[in-house]
Amino acid sequence: AQKITQTQPGMFVQEKEAVTLDCTYDTSDPSYGLFWYKQPSSGEMIFLIYQGSYDQQNATEGRYSLNFQKARKSANLVISASQLGDSAMYFCAMREGRDSNYQLIWGAGTKLIIKP
Amino acid sequence: SAVISQKPSRDICQRGTSLTIQCQVDSQVTMMFWYRQQPGQSLTLIATANQGSEATYESGFVIDKFPISRPNLTFSTLTVSNMSPEDSSIYLCSVYLAGNYNEQFFGPGTRLTVL
Repeated sequence: AQKITQTQPGMFVQEKEAVTLDCTYDTSDPSYGLFWYKQPSSGEMIFLIYQGSYDQQNATEGRYSLNFQKARKSANLVISASQLGDSAMYFCAMREGRDSNYQLIWGAGTKLIIKP
Repeated sequence: SAVISQKPSRDICQRGTSLTIQCQVDSQVTMMFWYRQQPGQSLTLIATANQGSEATYESGFVIDKFPISRPNLTFSTLTVSNMSPEDSSIYLCSVYLAGNYNEQFFGPGTRLTVL
């Protein structure tokens, strides 16, 4: 079964609009962390934001925020006031606390294109 | 944080040959990971390379095809052996650093094209 599901293969958004990228996850481990990474066309992976399973508040980092709904097992990334430079692939990933190798489980990604 | 460099940044190779990719980290790290990312796909973990022990390979990846060295805490190599066009991918090394978010830091990747 898919542990990380990103249902939007691609999205087109008008510049300056807010964007929500969906991510649902599946785990029985009570301790886990959720990560979002950005991959521009140049190929590097850029860490954006992290949410721990025990965190009481939704994570925020500048224009990025994470809409964490634990009961629904969703961790959607919200980008406010989108910019042309936000055009990239976005990956959601999870680390389970029981994994002593600290491996990440990756979603399929969402390709975001910001239109001027 | 960690700064990671990879060499080469890209290469075009003939089938049947081998390529060794180098990964250098600016700090000492225990855990290093090698990923493959085929065109338009997500990341697939090839192996975990911990210093002082043999690399641990994921299902579908074998040491004969992807030998890994980890001679010290700041360096690792991945060799793609007997290449075929199906090996055309981006190869990424990453490291785990305990810190605020315990995130993985990534190198810039090696874009490999096999003809």
